[in-house]
Amino acid sequence: QVQLVESGGGVVQPGGSLRLSCAASGFTFSSYGMHWVRQAPGKGLEWVAFIRYDGSNKYYADSVKGRFTISRDNSKNTLYLQMNSLRAEDTAVYYCAKDYPVAGTGGDYFDYWGQGTLVTVSS
Amino acid sequence: DIQMTQSPSTLSASVGDRVTITCRASQSISSWLAWYQQKPGKAPKLLIYKASSLESGVPSRFSGSGSGTEFTLTISSLQPDDFATYYCQQYNSYFLTFGGGTKVEIK
Repeated sequence: QVQLVESGGGVVQPGGSLRLSCAASGFTFSSYGMHWVRQAPGKGLEWVAFIRYDGSNKYYADSVKGRFTISRDNSKNTLYLQMNSLRAEDTAVYYCAKDYPVAGTGGDYFDYWGQGTLVTVSS
Repeated sequence: DIQMTQSPSTLSASVGDRVTITCRASQSISSWLAWYQQKPGKAPKLLIYKASSLESGVPSRFSGSGSGTEFTLTISSLQPDDFATYYCQQYNSYFLTFGGGTKVEIK
């Protein structure tokens, strides 16, 4: 069965950096796009970033563009999110999610999610 | 970006009630809409895609409808396991957006 396991969360000071990882299993990782989605404490869901199955295209929410970088290593079945210049408003649970590719539209939806990893930005 | 607006933000209902949640898009998204259920401390779970297609394994009491800018999620007979928060999500463009969520509480 599909499993997505995030790691790398923790407490970091404003302006600091953190790298999240998401280990995937149970499907052919190299055939699917992947996303990061976050949820601030007590708030709703916010899409963060997407990477195509081969890493050739990446898209970011305006709120993280220029500070966060999504990447993947298909040989390790692992997705990453490098987060730099962190701010208090980046405090959230970060989920990785598997993309369900849809023909005929620009975007896709998420058919599997990890359990999330908490990032807290605080001095 | 396409804005998604859900209503109500909170809904109080009893077991057995028929429940309807509305999601409106700031521009037409055809039928490119998904619905998710999230319970406290858990990841979201896909319920509906393409506005009205039921994900495999999801109970048939859940249904979705709509197209263009207005969509609904209906639970025909609310069960104890259905008390949760529900989110809509548009995938008309690469820049994916969610509604603000609807919390279904026990009346």
